[in-house]
Amino acid sequence: DTEVTQTPKHLVMGMTNKKSLKCEQHMGHRAMYWYKQKAKKPPELMFVYSYEKLSINESVPSRFSPECPNSSLLNLHLHALQPEDSALYLCASSWITMKEDTEAFFGQGTRLTVV
Amino acid sequence: TQLLEQSPQFLSIQEGENLTVYCNSSSVFSSLQWYRQEPGEGPVLLVTVVTGGEVKKLKRLTFQFGDARKDSSLHITAAQPGDTGLYLCAGATLHAGGTSYGKLTFGQGTILTVHP
Repeated sequence: DTEVTQTPKHLVMGMTNKKSLKCEQHMGHRAMYWYKQKAKKPPELMFVYSYEKLSINESVPSRFSPECPNSSLLNLHLHALQPEDSALYLCASSWITMKEDTEAFFGQGTRLTVV
Repeated sequence: TQLLEQSPQFLSIQEGENLTVYCNSSSVFSSLQWYRQEPGEGPVLLVTVVTGGEVKKLKRLTFQFGDARKDSSLHITAAQPGDTGLYLCAGATLHAGGTSYGKLTFGQGTILTVHP
């Protein structure tokens, strides 16, 4: 299994809603990531988890709250979002190694629209 | 802050033409990855280059890593409409302790359109 699975694929939410994005991988990767991508732009890193602990937060607003319940799952909890938060949210995973060719594998993304 | 400059940003060509996409940086990366992304989908890894001067081929795609590991290029021969998409280069660096993550620095991307 070489897949990173994200659900839902599409999400429309109001600015007062609370929702969660989910990500799952069964490749045994111990690093997982959330990226945000606007149309025709590259992905921007939001959070990195290594060994189920948050290791990097790229100064993301607190209305985005990540959670890593176990080594296979990664969630992103959303609350009080703004319309400008509408984007494709990508989950990725990778090994943590001493090798230089560590590769990140991405899920299909969740297309989020905030209305 | 490490930056990757990718060029060109847009490329519109006819089927059968050749093209090259460039990815340049003033920083050294431990590896450089190339991804292809279709609208509404996640990036799909094409190749990873690690060694300075390395050349990798994937069918009609040829990837090169510069000797100094600061730049890379992607060359497509005889482009086809199925090659249409967003091409992203991304650099990886080793972190404290020598461990390597998939934390990537992305270039701005090249939107390639191949017309039949």
